[in-house]
Amino acid sequence: RKEVEQDPGPFNVPEGATVAFNCTYSNSASQSFFWYRQDCRKEPKLLMSVYSSGNEDGRFTAQLNRASQYISLLIRDSKLSDSATYLCVVNSLQTARQLTFGSGTQLTVLP
Amino acid sequence: DADVTQTPRNRITKTGKRIMLECSQTKGHDRMYWYRQDPGLGLRLIYYSFDVKDINKGEISDGYSVSRQAQAKFSLSLESAIPNQTALYFCATGTGDYNEQFFGPGTRLTVL
Repeated sequence: RKEVEQDPGPFNVPEGATVAFNCTYSNSASQSFFWYRQDCRKEPKLLMSVYSSGNEDGRFTAQLNRASQYISLLIRDSKLSDSATYLCVVNSLQTARQLTFGSGTQLTVLP
Repeated sequence: DADVTQTPRNRITKTGKRIMLECSQTKGHDRMYWYRQDPGLGLRLIYYSFDVKDINKGEISDGYSVSRQAQAKFSLSLESAIPNQTALYFCATGTGDYNEQFFGPGTRLTVL
């Protein structure tokens, strides 16, 4: 089983739609959870750190379910500029100061 | 003004050549990382360093070496490049108890 698993998509949604991504992780001791955004051929950029059971930042809501070992990202009122690949990230099995990256979920927001 | 910079941004080289990728940061973070990214495989850790005297192998360190010349500089070397090292390479810095990481713009390396 991969340490971090994501549905690769692609998710194609119209502007204004709400879209949700899920991610499962295998390390029950993980303490660090993040969502990164990566545009094509660019560097990953930190979108949200996920604290406690979850948090919200504008149109973006991240939730953490430790019992089921999954993280979700909800994007409301999708914009064309939200089109990107979204990476689920947790700290690795080896050490808390390494991160393990999921392969990403591709989102395209259509006009 | 980028906080994490990488040079070169693109490089084409031949099999057997030695190549160095350089990373500099102005964020003041002690932790630095080198990753490679291949299509469909996500980011994989090559080496990481928690300070100038502390360097550790990551998941895929074979064929690579690193040097931490200063807190702000962390370079990655391919001693004898091979075609399956063709990839996008990212440098990152890390900070905080939860290890938030911040990435440079990447180096696209092609080994012919």
